[in-house]
Amino acid sequence: ETGVTQTPRHLVMGMTNKKSLKCEQHLGHNAMYWYKQSAKKPLELMFVYSLEERVENNSVPSRFSPECPNSSHLFLHLHTLQPEDSALYLCASSQELQGAGGYTFGSGTRLTVV
Amino acid sequence: AQSVTQLDSQVPVFEEAPVELRCNYSSSVSVYLFWYVQYPNQGLQLLLKYLSGSTLVESINGFEAEFNKSQTSFHLRKPSVHISDTAEYFCAVSETGGGNKLTFGTGTQLKVEL
Repeated sequence: ETGVTQTPRHLVMGMTNKKSLKCEQHLGHNAMYWYKQSAKKPLELMFVYSLEERVENNSVPSRFSPECPNSSHLFLHLHTLQPEDSALYLCASSQELQGAGGYTFGSGTRLTVV
Repeated sequence: AQSVTQLDSQVPVFEEAPVELRCNYSSSVSVYLFWYVQYPNQGLQLLLKYLSGSTLVESINGFEAEFNKSQTSFHLRKPSVHISDTAEYFCAVSETGGGNKLTFGTGTQLKVEL
């Protein structure tokens, strides 16, 4: 248990489905992040939330929609995805955006789009 | 903006042999440096970090890394590897001063063989 919990661990969805990924942390952190990890590619930062406000959106397609209802929870809503969206989606949290403490990562959700 | 280069995508090594995983960074300001490890089907775990002070930092499982400002490097070393060290290792950098995010390298797959 890393302190950051992601559910589900695995998800298979069709291109017309709507699903959500959930991330939860009880570390008292106030910044949360979504990363995409594809095979043989660098980690891609998707979204950053600080104090429940989105502070960064790295040109992510609108079929990915984040939501941060409070400092402990982060969601990634998915709809009409493409096969190239298949990847490991990682959630992370940190005490501050400063990053001196590093990030705590969840175990990820392995997403397969069919 | 900062960047991280991990030149070696894969490093095979025999058990009990020493290993060095290379990391070079680029930044116009002072930085924090991190090494993360990712075991199969898991998220990233913080292995060690350099914030300030002694340039040699150690992890609890025998890894060490040395910050070399003149060479802008933060190479990870272990004098004798074990099969259980097989994993992917990511170097990351964050600029000090607040409001900055971690930038990750592309990762190095360490494969320990008998």
